[in-house]
Amino acid sequence: AQSVTQPDIHITVSEGASLELRCNYSYGATPYLFWYVQSPGQGLQLLLKYFSGDTLVQGIKGFEAEFKRSQSSFNLRKPSVHWSDAAEYFCAVVRGYKLSFGAGTTVTVRA
Amino acid sequence: NAGVTQTPKFQVLKTGQSMTLQCAQDMNHEYMSWYRQDPGMGLRLIHYSVGAGITDQGEVPNGYNVSRSTTEDFPLRLLSAAPSQTSVYFCASSYRDRGDGYTFGSGTRLTVV
Repeated sequence: AQSVTQPDIHITVSEGASLELRCNYSYGATPYLFWYVQSPGQGLQLLLKYFSGDTLVQGIKGFEAEFKRSQSSFNLRKPSVHWSDAAEYFCAVVRGYKLSFGAGTTVTVRA
Repeated sequence: NAGVTQTPKFQVLKTGQSMTLQCAQDMNHEYMSWYRQDPGMGLRLIHYSVGAGITDQGEVPNGYNVSRSTTEDFPLRLLSAAPSQTSVYFCASSYRDRGDGYTFGSGTRLTVV
């Protein structure tokens, strides 16, 4: 069975500081991996995706993620956080057509 | 604008009532799915469809029915609403190869009293 773990439920970061959100998955083969962002009361927006190839992927809004097969991880990073990055972030894994989500990490940005 | 449209945005039901949540997409996506979102649990897959006439169960299918008579529409039916079905429901769609990821609707907030 596959699962997605986001170890951090809540992260607080200062505006301008760097951000890293952790994601670990359990799956036998190389999965399709996604990061989504959800602003309060909104739907989910795709930040970036990894299917194969270069293990460092660039996404929208200045985010990037690195796939590490040896660690079964797909961590999301941003070098300098803006107040508008306050949201909930979800890591997701596809097996077949089923998209499985982690429980999410809420990011609070302080001035 | 191309995308996934969900209606209604908000709904309050009494226990035992039935209703249908509507989902439509105009991107000619083969794959459509329904999720429910509850605090601390992320999004959980209810049902999904890989094409017209084909549906299958996800993680939490009990109490919900679906059908897919057209490529565009994938309604979710609650046959007899229960308070445990209070949640935010999201519909998502993608192409068969998932190359562009999954597109989500804006959600339906359902309260069962």
